Amino acid sequence: QLQLQESGPGLVKPSETLSLTCTVSGASISSTSYYWGWIRQPPGKGLEWIGSVYFSGSTYYNASLKSRATISVDTSRNQFSLKLRSVTAADTAVYYCARHGDYYGPADYWGQGTLVTVSS
Amino acid sequence: QSALTQPASVSGSPGQSITISCTGSSSDVGDYDYVSWYQQHPGKAPKLMIYDVSNRPSGVSNRFSGSKSGNTASLSISGLQAEDEADYYCSSFAISSTAVIFGGGTKLTVL
Repeated sequence: QLQLQESGPGLVKPSETLSLTCTVSGASISSTSYYWGWIRQPPGKGLEWIGSVYFSGSTYYNASLKSRATISVDTSRNQFSLKLRSVTAADTAVYYCARHGDYYGPADYWGQGTLVTVSS
Repeated sequence: QSALTQPASVSGSPGQSITISCTGSSSDVGDYDYVSWYQQHPGKAPKLMIYDVSNRPSGVSNRFSGSKSGNTASLSISGLQAEDEADYYCSSFAISSTAVIFGGGTKLTVL
């Protein structure tokens, strides 16, 4: 059974870097059939796609976040990560990691999500 | 403002059918059959209900169906049940640089 689990600090100070890791279990992140992505949801609001990564390291980003976001993959640990620089209160959200059939494709498996609050 | 437009809320009684619309443009919904629908219960992660406009993942009830006409995609739910009460989000591939866009979400209330 495929499972995804987000981990990282729940509180980040303004102007600092948000760092999250998604650990994949039950399947290899090196599968050629899937991409691995990050999606966020501010409290009480809708979903926003952040970006996706392939096991080879190829990445795709939401244009509105591209200048601040970096998604990377560590196949040896079966993990992928998100770094979001220069955060503000507007980056406060539940961050989900998910598996996609293509970088723009449907997300068929999701992590439980982790709330990250940006506050001093 | 979300890139895809959904009604804020819809409601129906148990056993009835409802439809949720998702309106985009010729740069996304209208030109690509990469529309997905997600169900989200409070405090839970979204669950994929429909992909590629009208395909159901394994395990999703056949009471859920999807379609598309022009720039508008639709999610239909027949035989409404109490457990269908949730937020529903559509998403689409967009040729613009954002790649994946979502609708603002629709709250379904089962009366």
